[in-house]
Amino acid sequence: QVQLQESGPGLAKPSGTLSLTCAVSGGSISSSNWWSWVRQPPGKGLEWIGEIYHSGSTNYNPSLKSRVTISVDKSKNQFSLMLSSVTAADTAVYYCARIERTANAFDIWGQGTMVTVSS
Amino acid sequence: SSELTQDPAVSVALGQTVRITCQGDSLRSYDASWYQQKPGQAPVLVIYGKNNRPSGIPDRFSGSSSGNTASLTITGPQAEDEADYYCHSRDSSGNRVFGGGTKLTVL
Repeated sequence: QVQLQESGPGLAKPSGTLSLTCAVSGGSISSSNWWSWVRQPPGKGLEWIGEIYHSGSTNYNPSLKSRVTISVDKSKNQFSLMLSSVTAADTAVYYCARIERTANAFDIWGQGTMVTVSS
Repeated sequence: SSELTQDPAVSVALGQTVRITCQGDSLRSYDASWYQQKPGQAPVLVIYGKNNRPSGIPDRFSGSSSGNTASLTITGPQAEDEADYYCHSRDSSGNRVFGGGTKLTVL
């Protein structure tokens, strides 16, 4: 059973960079699935950030594209998110999720990690 | 703003049938998937594709689509179905997008 676990600092400074990692266990990140980041500001809805394939191919939300980098480390079976120039508006719970190939849907989610942007 | 529009809140009496809708022009071309989210928890996939349920999702959950509207129907909702529900699909440019979410109250 594939499981995902987010990790990273719970606090980021304004104008700094937010960095998170998602560890994949119980399966290979090199499977035929995409891997994604989704965030949810407090009391608000879900926002897709972007996705990556094990080959390194990426797709990003156009509204965040200039600030987002998603990368994959196959040797560690994990993928990562970097979001630069953060502001208070980037305060959110960040989820990593698997996009199952045939379902084309987010079928497995991490528990989520809260990141607060504050000085 | 999202290109997928959902009603912010819907209520249903215990045991009745409720339909949660998701509207967007891109739904004429792309299938929607639906997610249930309870407070403090990660979303859970309940419907994907034309009308497919992942293992473990009760058969009272079903999906349908017509024109620019995708729907999630819960037939005979239980108290534990009270949650926020989000649709997901693509926007007009092919980027992934979520609807704004619908808060379901089971009375």
